[in-house]
Amino acid sequence: SQTIHQWPATLVQPVGSPLSLECTVEGTSNPNLYWYRQAAGRGLQLLFYSVGIGQISSEVPQNLSASRPQDRQFILSSKKLLLSDSGFYLCAWSSTGTGGTEAFFGQGTRLTVV
Amino acid sequence: RKEVEQDPGPFNVPEGATVAFNCTYSNSASQSFFWYRQDCRKEPKLLMSVYSSGNEDGRFTAQLNRASQYISLLIRDSKLSDSATYLCVVSFYNQGGKLIFGQGTELSVKP
Repeated sequence: SQTIHQWPATLVQPVGSPLSLECTVEGTSNPNLYWYRQAAGRGLQLLFYSVGIGQISSEVPQNLSASRPQDRQFILSSKKLLLSDSGFYLCAWSSTGTGGTEAFFGQGTRLTVV
Repeated sequence: RKEVEQDPGPFNVPEGATVAFNCTYSNSASQSFFWYRQDCRKEPKLLMSVYSSGNEDGRFTAQLNRASQYISLLIRDSKLSDSATYLCVVSFYNQGGKLIFGQGTELSVKP
């Protein structure tokens, strides 16, 4: 069966510090991978979307970046965090192609920038 | 205009009530539709897919109206455990099948 791992679960970082969140998927090949952010009391905002290694689509302008160094590994990074980067970060995967299948989420990382 | 829109609520209903949520989408090149459930401080989880002919899963019924570009979720005989945020999700052919979430509708079921 497929599983998705995301870590850490919680993170408190000072403004201006770097960020690296990692997500890995097991039990499937060539998944579509997503990074979403959810601000307190708000919906999910799609940040990055990847259909393959090295193929990253950025959805909103921001100081975050994403990389996919391996088929089932998706990394969210920042060189310098802002207070506005605080939120609940969720990694997700779906089956490959344009079939529009459902997404499965990791348990999320709750980031607080102080 | 947002690609996927929902009434944020909150919907406060008594146990046993029937409640309906609507969701509209702006891109006619829509492909697949889902309802997710998100409990407080947890990740979203798939509740049900939405099929063109409509579909039912126990107390939950989902409907799709492509002509009017909306989907709905009906919950019958509400339980306390149904309290959560319900997220409408749409994927679009012309956007590589990526999944776009609505902002969610909060449901609170009271005794």
